[in-house]
Amino acid sequence: GAVVSQHPSRVICKSGTSVKIECRSLDFQATTMFWYRQFPKQSLMLMATSNEGSKATYEQGVEKDKFLINHASLTLSTLTVTSAHPEDSSFYICSANTGTGGNEQYFGPGTRLTVT
Amino acid sequence: GDSVTQMEGPVTLSEEAFLTINCTYTATGYPSLFWYVQYPGEGLQLLLKATKADDKGSNKGFEATYRKETTSFHLEKGSVQVSDSAVYFCAPSVSGNTGKLIFGQGTTLQVKP
Repeated sequence: GAVVSQHPSRVICKSGTSVKIECRSLDFQATTMFWYRQFPKQSLMLMATSNEGSKATYEQGVEKDKFLINHASLTLSTLTVTSAHPEDSSFYICSANTGTGGNEQYFGPGTRLTVT
Repeated sequence: GDSVTQMEGPVTLSEEAFLTINCTYTATGYPSLFWYVQYPGEGLQLLLKATKADDKGSNKGFEATYRKETTSFHLEKGSVQVSDSAVYFCAPSVSGNTGKLIFGQGTTLQVKP
């Protein structure tokens, strides 16, 4: 149980284009999902908290107009990187909270974004 | 504010050696505590957890005990295998029931045959 998928697993796009990454909870409903960014050999940086049916809450320093988050249903959240630049190249990981006690998060396999 | 500190890696061990990865945290109240593992090119997997003082989380031979008095949650395994080579993250929950976790910098474990 508690499986989270991400799509695509890898994407290469040209500078200036937009890319959408999907995060799905496959066997549970997730009222809250989280988006992280991970740089090589570094820890996870929380970008935003995505709540179903409401606006995402962004962490300090994260541009909400650049990283658009939509949590349209209890099983799907999307992250759109708009007008991507090479410095946006990174590993993006989502997670979902089951809502049960303990606050554990279940993570997707990640999406490797490369902007050329 | 809430924070977490993990021992720096990389940690290199021979197969069947004993493993300890230290983790200490600062938090308001009593956070839930988690260890996650990340294999190369993959997302994070929940390894074990503990939700209250003196709880011991265990999974796949790994153990960690919630020590409130020392605010620690050290990860141990009695006999590591090559397949345990990965990055390990200690992650306490953030105060205030936000559902957020704080991640340590991660400790890379390399096990040699």
